[in-house]
Amino acid sequence: NAGVTQTPKFRVLKTGQSMTLLCAQDMNHEYMYWYRQDPGMGLRLIHYSVGEGTTAKGEVPDGYNVSRLKKQNFLLGLESAAPSQTSVYFCASSYVVAGELFFGEGSRLTVL
Amino acid sequence: AQTVTQSQPEMSVQEAETVTLSCTYDTSESDYYLFWYKQPPSRQMILVIRQEAYKQQNATENRFSVNFQKAAKSFSLKISDSQLGDAAMYFCAYRRGGTSGTYKYIFGTGTRLKVLA
Repeated sequence: NAGVTQTPKFRVLKTGQSMTLLCAQDMNHEYMYWYRQDPGMGLRLIHYSVGEGTTAKGEVPDGYNVSRLKKQNFLLGLESAAPSQTSVYFCASSYVVAGELFFGEGSRLTVL
Repeated sequence: AQTVTQSQPEMSVQEAETVTLSCTYDTSESDYYLFWYKQPPSRQMILVIRQEAYKQQNATENRFSVNFQKAAKSFSLKISDSQLGDAAMYFCAYRRGGTSGTYKYIFGTGTRLKVLA
């Protein structure tokens, strides 16, 4: 079972560069989420999606964009990377009713 | 807005002993879920235990159990017979219940558990 897969796992960017993180899930989950994890701050919600073609802002959405063109994929984009976006990014998905959040393995992004 | 607070940034426990990690939350909802997730050095997020708010009985999973105090909005995790493999960051999380609307998972800042041999 693949579950939730994130690519890439590691990336180093220069300030101002753009990139896209891809999240794919094979569990037919309606809900998908992007979080960032920083030391001492736990997991903070960036954006989320309640279904194909829908997206919504979370707690820290500035500097990020997302798209969910297919139910199984949720893309997180950085148009102009900044050092403050250095973090570990987690994608997660869930059913509406079951409650449990399933996570990908995380992607470590460093912006120089 | 819902919040989750973990007031213990770091805890230590001797191998084979018992440790309790604290979590408090704030919500006006009556139907919700609470979770404890474990994050070992591998970075993978692993579900430890889940509690539905409408259930009065505390959830248990082998050596892991919770003390759910709904009125006090407290959700602590007890780890019995601690093992070296329990060393990890532990996150408490909240999600509202129901079958309509949106569902955001709110996480605490985490407690790093060290297990001493």
